Amino acid sequence: GAGVSQSPSNKVTEKGKDVELRCDPISGHTALYWYRQSLGQGLEFLIYFQGNSAPDKSGLPSDRFSAERTGGSVSTLTIQRTQQEDSAVYLCASSQNPRQPISGNTIYFGEGSWLTVV
Amino acid sequence: SQKIEQNSEALNIQEGKTATLTCNYTNYSPAYLQWYRQDPGRGPVFLLLIRENEKEKRKERLKVTFDTTLKQSLFHITASQPADSATYLCALEAGSYQLTFGKGTKLSVIP
Repeated sequence: GAGVSQSPSNKVTEKGKDVELRCDPISGHTALYWYRQSLGQGLEFLIYFQGNSAPDKSGLPSDRFSAERTGGSVSTLTIQRTQQEDSAVYLCASSQNPRQPISGNTIYFGEGSWLTVV
Repeated sequence: SQKIEQNSEALNIQEGKTATLTCNYTNYSPAYLQWYRQDPGRGPVFLLLIRENEKEKRKERLKVTFDTTLKQSLFHITASQPADSATYLCALEAGSYQLTFGKGTKLSVIP
């Protein structure tokens, strides 16, 4: 597609429920990132996928968080047993192969999924 | 530990003046540094990238400098306009090609 697409754009869920957030990256982009942004806070790295390599999960805050990327394209971020502190905007981004020096790993963000846990 | 600091949470400036935002980092050796703009309710948008061997990069009214000795980047907007009001984020590669972002500086250009 023309840009990074995320769904849902807004999600309100009850504490303890599971949620799934979807990201459709720019076609041809091999790298995909998930970030979280809490109100008034900076971007917090969650997870990074690059091609068929094992993902970098170093930013996932707890084992309630997981992510998959199927077929090197669409990614799903799953949050199990949601807590109120999970309320945030979840931003997905993609980039061309970051090993290409000319790209400098510029990343392109979607508009985010706004998650509210009540 | 590694840190990226944008020294102002908020910056107010009069229309027409030059806005200067600062990004400092510690315990990184980045090959490049990037600046992004984020409007309320939107995802960040890439503005400029500057490499370690470049001292300065320009794009229209934007100018970025990169001093690897001082471990600092300055982001300038000349002839600022109210439409430039947004949060500006700097970002560095933090290993494994992931980008780590500063918390951002919220710029308000006052007419």
